[in-house]
Amino acid sequence: GAGVSQSPSNKVTEKGKDVELRCDPISGHTALYWYRQSLGQGLEFLIYFQGNSAPDKSGLPSDRFSAERTGGSVSTLTIQRTQQEDSAVYLCASSAQETQYFGPGTRLLVL
Amino acid sequence: QQQVKQSPQSLIVQKGGISIINCAYENTAFDYFPWYQQFPGKGPALLIAIRPDVSEKKEGRFTISFNKSAKQFSLHIMDSQPGDSATYFCAASRGQKVTFGIGTKLQVIP
Repeated sequence: GAGVSQSPSNKVTEKGKDVELRCDPISGHTALYWYRQSLGQGLEFLIYFQGNSAPDKSGLPSDRFSAERTGGSVSTLTIQRTQQEDSAVYLCASSAQETQYFGPGTRLLVL
Repeated sequence: QQQVKQSPQSLIVQKGGISIINCAYENTAFDYFPWYQQFPGKGPALLIAIRPDVSEKKEGRFTISFNKSAKQFSLHIMDSQPGDSATYFCAASRGQKVTFGIGTKLQVIP
């Protein structure tokens, strides 16, 4: 693949449901990042993976949020018992060195 | 703690004018300073970047000015065009640890 891909591109869910967001990084990129961007806002750091391990989970807003990365490639971000304040665009980025390459994001709407 | 402070948060510039966005950082360990450009509905994309051993880098109409002693850097967009209308994020990093500014929404009006 040419770039970072994310799925789904849009997700509408009901309050209280669990959602899984997927990120496919650029092949060979060892670092993977998740960010949250609320409407018109900046990039809120959530979690960073180096390979399969997550040395920095400091941005996860609550224990309802978790993420994993398998095989040093695909990552999933899981939000349990979604709340309306979780509505945002969730961006994934990968990098080999300093430059981050972002995916198009998943737009999550919690009703 | 906001380690990278970006201003202004919004900017309106006339076509052909110069757009200037400023950032200041605190951590002197940062060694890479990129700017990202984000269009509505898209993820951010690298626009231009600089390392602290140079004071200026120019790519086309885009220039980064870097002041190491003041711990400040800025993005200048010369001859701004309506197609430059986007949100711009500065960032500072060391290794894989990246800190982003809050973003500047630029609108270039005809």
